[in-house]
Amino acid sequence: GEDVEQSLFLSVREGDSSVINCTYTDSSSTYLYWYKQEPGAGLQLLTYIFSNMDMKQDQRLTVLLNKKDKHLSLRIADTQTGDSAIYFCAESRDSSNTGKLIFGQGTTLQVKP
Amino acid sequence: EAGVAQSPRYKIIEKRQSVAFWCNPISGHATLYWYQQILGQGPKLLIQFQNNGVVDDSQLPKDRFSAERLKGVDSTLKIQPAKLEDSAVYLCASSLGILAGGRGTYNEQFFGPGTRLTVL
Repeated sequence: GEDVEQSLFLSVREGDSSVINCTYTDSSSTYLYWYKQEPGAGLQLLTYIFSNMDMKQDQRLTVLLNKKDKHLSLRIADTQTGDSAIYFCAESRDSSNTGKLIFGQGTTLQVKP
Repeated sequence: EAGVAQSPRYKIIEKRQSVAFWCNPISGHATLYWYQQILGQGPKLLIQFQNNGVVDDSQLPKDRFSAERLKGVDSTLKIQPAKLEDSAVYLCASSLGILAGGRGTYNEQFFGPGTRLTVL
């Protein structure tokens, strides 16, 4: 199937770490992405990981990929109120090679001061 | 660098009416995507163009939706007639393009702000 699954809601306190999880179904996925969407705005690419990697770190963001379990996570260190948004996991599949993205339903991150 | 532009930002119509959305991609981007994002869901690809040709329109409801990119730059997406379930945000995205032989090549998509459509 085409499903990319995410938990719907996460609430953390400012300064804590946030971990957003995602599972995908297609083992041929080449790239996996994390996008951020703020109210009334389009999608902003946060980071991506190639399928032959198991970890990628970019400042406060850490992406972990478990290809065996088809599990992707995004960790945000020192979460700030400005991180409040909806986070989408997306996969790009090698078989299509068209750049088509399959998105999860999004995780709403609420950061409390 | 200017981003992906979309207009209008908001549109309210009654069911059975027609509506059109416009997208201007980033200059030089060969690939253009239209996504539909229903409230509470992730974006779903409707149609993808490479220059002025259609690459994938398998999820486009062709009985009522149409899209064109005549000169390989701007694109319009039309709904005629609209149904209540078409209420959504319509996102346009662009990327440099599919590289020949670039199986699994990284191909970042840049998204516009979207058009929020409400069908009453």
